[in-house]
Amino acid sequence: AQTVTQSQPEMSVQEAETVTLSCTYDTSESDYYLFWYKQPPSRQMILVIRQEAYKQQNATENRFSVNFQKAAKSFSLKISDSQLGDAAMYFCAYRSVEYGNKLVFGAGTILRVKS
Amino acid sequence: DAGITQSPRHKVTETGTPVTLRCHQTENHRYMYWYRQDPGHGLRLIHYSYGVKDTDKGEVSDGYSVSRSKTEDFLLTLESATSSQTSVYFCAISEGQPLDEQYFGPGTRLTVT
Repeated sequence: AQTVTQSQPEMSVQEAETVTLSCTYDTSESDYYLFWYKQPPSRQMILVIRQEAYKQQNATENRFSVNFQKAAKSFSLKISDSQLGDAAMYFCAYRSVEYGNKLVFGAGTILRVKS
Repeated sequence: DAGITQSPRHKVTETGTPVTLRCHQTENHRYMYWYRQDPGHGLRLIHYSYGVKDTDKGEVSDGYSVSRSKTEDFLLTLESATSSQTSVYFCAISEGQPLDEQYFGPGTRLTVT
């Protein structure tokens, strides 16, 4: 079974600075998909970014980008020019292509943004 | 926003009572999922459905059952609630392609006393 590990329970960043959230995963599959979700205090789950494992190029979405290291099974999220609205819980998630497209989530990282 | 609603949004119940949570979608997506969210565990899959009357277990399915008699509704039932089932429950929907986004409902906070 796949597992996802987020080793940083909590992170802080100064407004306008850059922060990187870590995620590692364990799998024996060669084809899979990775996601970062954001959960603000409203509890709503919001997709931030997604990555296909067979693509070498790292995904980017505006101020959000990932560093995908397939051999190391690492999928970190970089947030540039941090804003107060980025404060939230961030979840890394793994999706296998074989098992009903289910998501396996990490435990989450709380991101605090200081003004 | 994807059209997903969950009811009730909050519920307090006593140990041993049955509880049913409802997820309703207006997107006609094929896949529907139930997750629970607990501190230190992230979200964990309870059950999912890949079509009407087609369901399968997730990683934490013990004590839960589901039913899907219509495309738009996915019910989660706790036959006899226990305190360990106190949690926030999320429903999600997806078209089913691996890269497709899973859209999440607003969540239901369930407290079992």
